[in-house]
Amino acid sequence: NAGVTQTPKFQVLKTGQSMTLQCAQDMNHEYMSWYRQDPGMGLRLIHYSVGAGITDQGEVPNGYNVSRSTTEDFPLRLLSAAPSQTSVYFCASSRPGQWAYEQYFGPGTRLTVT
Amino acid sequence: GENVEQHPSTLSVQEGDSAVIKCTYSDSASNYFPWYKQELGKRPQLIIDIRSNVGEKKDQRIAVTLNKTAKHFSLHITETQPEDSAVYFCAATPRSNDYKLSFGAGTTVTVRA
Repeated sequence: NAGVTQTPKFQVLKTGQSMTLQCAQDMNHEYMSWYRQDPGMGLRLIHYSVGAGITDQGEVPNGYNVSRSTTEDFPLRLLSAAPSQTSVYFCASSRPGQWAYEQYFGPGTRLTVT
Repeated sequence: GENVEQHPSTLSVQEGDSAVIKCTYSDSASNYFPWYKQELGKRPQLIIDIRSNVGEKKDQRIAVTLNKTAKHFSLHITETQPEDSAVYFCAATPRSNDYKLSFGAGTTVTVRA
């Protein structure tokens, strides 16, 4: 299994540009999420999904859109990039259950907005 | 929502000594408390977790304790080694939504040889 994969690894955007960060998992996990990581602030939840066709907002959703058409894929769209969105983005997945389970993280995408 | 505070933000220890990181949480209904380790330039990886129905869990040199009354939990690393140098994050999941993790701000641990 490849686990959780993300593309691209690095990206530089100009202010106002849009782009999509890709995330895929091959573990048949129903739960997927996107986090951003900024120095001194830990990981903050952007959006999450509990299954295909179901998405919801996390702690910092503004400026981002998501969709979940398949169990495997969970892309994150930046609508109009801003310098404040410069960050490292991690996608994660886990299996659902009565209790929460381990979240598996992808390798991350380092995004710089100039 | 859940608020997780983590202390200290940096920790320097001599190789062989112990390291302790503490986290507090705000939602008394939280029931799952994982700890993640992130090496420089790498992804976070789970090292240990604890659920609200137990008070302590050990895995070799790593242990986690949970005090539900005081709403805090701690990571203990004994006999530290250079490879323990990393950023450690605690997290909590509210019972109302078992999938959303709220993370602490992280602790940078440096093990001095």
